[in-house]
Amino acid sequence: GAVVSQHPSWVICKSGTSVKIECRSLDFQATTMFWYRQFPKQSLMLMATSNEGSKATYEQGVEKDKFLINHASLTLSTLTVTSAHPEDSSFYICSARRDSSFLHFGNGTRLTVT
Amino acid sequence: AQKITQTQPGMFVQEKEAVTLDCTYDTSDPSYGLFWYKQPSSGEMIFLIYQGSYDQQNATEGRYSLNFQKARKSANLVISASQLGDSAMYFCAMRELPGTSYGKLTFGQGTILTVHP
Repeated sequence: GAVVSQHPSWVICKSGTSVKIECRSLDFQATTMFWYRQFPKQSLMLMATSNEGSKATYEQGVEKDKFLINHASLTLSTLTVTSAHPEDSSFYICSARRDSSFLHFGNGTRLTVT
Repeated sequence: AQKITQTQPGMFVQEKEAVTLDCTYDTSDPSYGLFWYKQPSSGEMIFLIYQGSYDQQNATEGRYSLNFQKARKSANLVISASQLGDSAMYFCAMRELPGTSYGKLTFGQGTILTVHP
């Protein structure tokens, strides 16, 4: 079946540095990918919709300059958390859409900013 | 705007018993899809079951069934014969209409299910 690989699965970084998270569709081409953020024991909140070859669409309240999304190919979308701060510590999870079929989720990335 | 509501922050069930997790939704779109996902402590999102708004029958997948009551806008998940491995957080979600945002899911608040031996 379809698999979406998300890397890294966890990362610890220092405040002020940037972190890149990759979301890769392994056996299908994903024209659209979605990035979610989840705080402990809370719901998944959509951050942005990433479309291959075009600019990402950010949800209201999400800082596009802080959370940079690049969807340069049909199999890869990246989320870069720039100048990370402790309040950016969270669980980030991507999902990929293959044409009209269901979504496939990555396993998520736990980010801790110290 | 679409909205999903899960009113049970936590639920407890005895092993081998059935449990119902509640989900209500609100949308003005005539066409929509409803999903249930399981999220164990590892964080992965495990797809359980799907119900389309035009589906006549309630969806079933093994021990999971979806009690779809369209007029009441509810889509409750029923887990039969609970197992210890069912302990996890469960999310109800709704999908946008086909279009550029097709696949975008709106999630409920989640319900933490604990299965007791």
